[in-house]
Amino acid sequence: GESVGLHLPTLSVQEGDNSIINCAYSNSASDYFIWYKQESGKGPQFIIDIRSNMDKRQGQRVTVLLNKTVKHLSLQIAATQPGDSAVYFCADNRRGGGADGLTFGKGTHLIIQP
Amino acid sequence: AAGVIQSPRHLIKEKRETATLKCYPIPRHDTVYWYQQGPGQDPQFLISFYEKMQSDKGSIPDRFSAQQFSDYHSELNMSSLELGDSALYFCASSLRTSVDNEQFFGPGTRLTVL
Repeated sequence: GESVGLHLPTLSVQEGDNSIINCAYSNSASDYFIWYKQESGKGPQFIIDIRSNMDKRQGQRVTVLLNKTVKHLSLQIAATQPGDSAVYFCADNRRGGGADGLTFGKGTHLIIQP
Repeated sequence: AAGVIQSPRHLIKEKRETATLKCYPIPRHDTVYWYQQGPGQDPQFLISFYEKMQSDKGSIPDRFSAQQFSDYHSELNMSSLELGDSALYFCASSLRTSVDNEQFFGPGTRLTVL
């Protein structure tokens, strides 16, 4: 069916290391993807997005990679900090804009080890 | 910067009661979205409104209804509450004419049905 999912429920990394969070999607029509960060008790916070006509997009300490061939999306966080601890969701806006609801994948809980 | 405002932040109801959740979008945003997030789950899209008209519908139960008012705020009305309705309810808003129609999430309303 149309779903966006993550491979691992929990990811533990050392402070200062790079983190990579993965996501697989199944809808070939998907053309817009977003990564959200959700801290405990808070709403999802936009991190970075990418359109299907791109393979890579960089932000501040974050990079999103999109592989349309295998329908795979990843979020790379450089020099992970304690404040990066949160649940990370990938989401899909299937029709690439307009007033459409997002389809979220299962979150990955990123844990930062001191 | 102004964010999405949701009220109340916490709500406790009994089974079969009704509840009304309110959402005040970011100023100048014209689109609102409602999401439901169960414990340990990813957010599920319920419904969205653009310029006071329903624009997309997700997995919203028939017992729920929503509307957007002339000042763009939105209300989610929930009737015949069930135990399974206990969840975090997020409202998000966006400006439809923006390039990616990025959705900004509010802090959520935690609904507990006893």
